[in-house]
Amino acid sequence: GENVEQHPSTLSVQEGDSAVIKCTYSDSASNYFPWYKQELGKGPQLIIDIRSNVGEKKDQRIAVTLNKTAKHFSLHITETQPEDSAVYFCAASTPGGADGLTFGKGTHLIIQP
Amino acid sequence: NAGVMQNPRHLVRRRGQEARLRCSPMKGHSHVYWYRQLPEEGLKFMVYLQKENIIDESGMPKERFSAEFPKEGPSILRIQQVVRGDSAAYFCASSTTPTMNTEAFFGQGTRLTVV
Repeated sequence: GENVEQHPSTLSVQEGDSAVIKCTYSDSASNYFPWYKQELGKGPQLIIDIRSNVGEKKDQRIAVTLNKTAKHFSLHITETQPEDSAVYFCAASTPGGADGLTFGKGTHLIIQP
Repeated sequence: NAGVMQNPRHLVRRRGQEARLRCSPMKGHSHVYWYRQLPEEGLKFMVYLQKENIIDESGMPKERFSAEFPKEGPSILRIQQVVRGDSAAYFCASSTTPTMNTEAFFGQGTRLTVV
């Protein structure tokens, strides 16, 4: 089955700086890659996603890049703000695989004021 | 349009008791997924259901755990004879199609504590 590795596990950046979180996946058939933000005591919230026919997608301060050859994808957050502090999860989904999403273990992003 | 609703938010059970977790998907969503999250861990897939059908339960322990999504009413994740190792946050997600095609929306979760 699919295996998703995520790093770093913790990332601390100064407010206003950029943050990058990286994930790799094992199944070359995976074609959907969402990113979720989870705040303390809450459920994961989808913040951006990308499909395998696209190399990059941007939504305001958030962008995701996908390298299908290398089987890795990254989340980029620019001009970080205190409210960006949360745990971020990457995930991958395989067509024909009914087992939903395979998640990384998460990155705890800390924005230092 | 209300989001995915899970209840209860917190559930405390003694070892050996039964736990019932409920999930009402978003309106119009017929695909429901259950995930388990241990502290400092990612979410682990448990089971995928459509109305009245279990599509994939490969992530759910064979014993003590069961799930259903009846024609009417919420999806239920049932854990019989709970043990301390069952303590975790359980999240439900719903989507309009299988998640390989579109985004899944998560509920706020049920935090189960077994004492």
